[in-house]
Amino acid sequence: DAGVTQSPTHLIKTRGQQVTLRCSPISGHKSVSWYQQVLGQGPQFIFQYYEKEERGRGNFPDRFSARQFPNYSSELNVNALLLGDSALYLCASSLVMGVLSPLHFGNGTRLTVT
Amino acid sequence: RKEVEQDPGPFNVPEGATVAFNCTYSNSASQSFFWYRQDCRKEPKLLMSVYSSGNEDGRFTAQLNRASQYISLLIRDSKLSDSATYLCVVNALPSSNTGKLIFGQGTTLQVKP
Repeated sequence: DAGVTQSPTHLIKTRGQQVTLRCSPISGHKSVSWYQQVLGQGPQFIFQYYEKEERGRGNFPDRFSARQFPNYSSELNVNALLLGDSALYLCASSLVMGVLSPLHFGNGTRLTVT
Repeated sequence: RKEVEQDPGPFNVPEGATVAFNCTYSNSASQSFFWYRQDCRKEPKLLMSVYSSGNEDGRFTAQLNRASQYISLLIRDSKLSDSATYLCVVNALPSSNTGKLIFGQGTTLQVKP
C-alpha cells in the first residue's frame, strides 16, 4: 500500500512568491495534518483537517492556509514567502481525528526561499 | 519555557552501550506521549507510545512520570542502526481532540563501532 505522498519533494522560491504544497494521505485515512520543521528543530504543528474541515490551527500567520478535498487529499498554501519559511514541510495522515490515532508522515517537501 | 524540552545531544556511544534520553513537558493536562525516530533528511516515524505504567518493546523501554512531567527512553545494546534523532512528543490539547502534537527539539544519537 502507498504511504503518504507529498509533492513536490524540493522547491526553490524567492521572497514574496506564493507556494502550494500537495499531500495524498494513506488510503482510508480521513485526517491530514501539516507540520513545519526548521533545521535543527522538531516539527511544529500548522493545521489539521478532518472530513474537509479545519479542526486545529497552530501559531502561524494568516499567510498560511490549507484545504482538504473530497478525496481527503490536501494542499498547503503559503503567500508572501519570507526567508524564514525555508523548512521541511511534513504532511501526516491518520485514520481518524485524535491523538490516539497514530500519525503517518510523508517524506516532506523541502522549501528553500531565497 | 518550551512546551517539550530535550537535550539535543549529540550522544556518542559505542555499540552495545545502554543510553537514556530524557524529556520534560510543561502542560500537566497532556494525556498522550510518544517517542518518534527521525533519520537524517527523512520523515519522523513512530517508535513507541508511552504509557503510565511504562512499556517495553525489545531493546527499547519508555517511562512516564506524570508527577514530574518527565518522559524517558532507554535503549539497551545499542546498534549502529539506532543512530538517529529521537523526538519526544506530547499531545497539546487533550480536551479538544484535535490531534495536535507538540514535538521536542530532538536528541541526536550516534552509535560508533
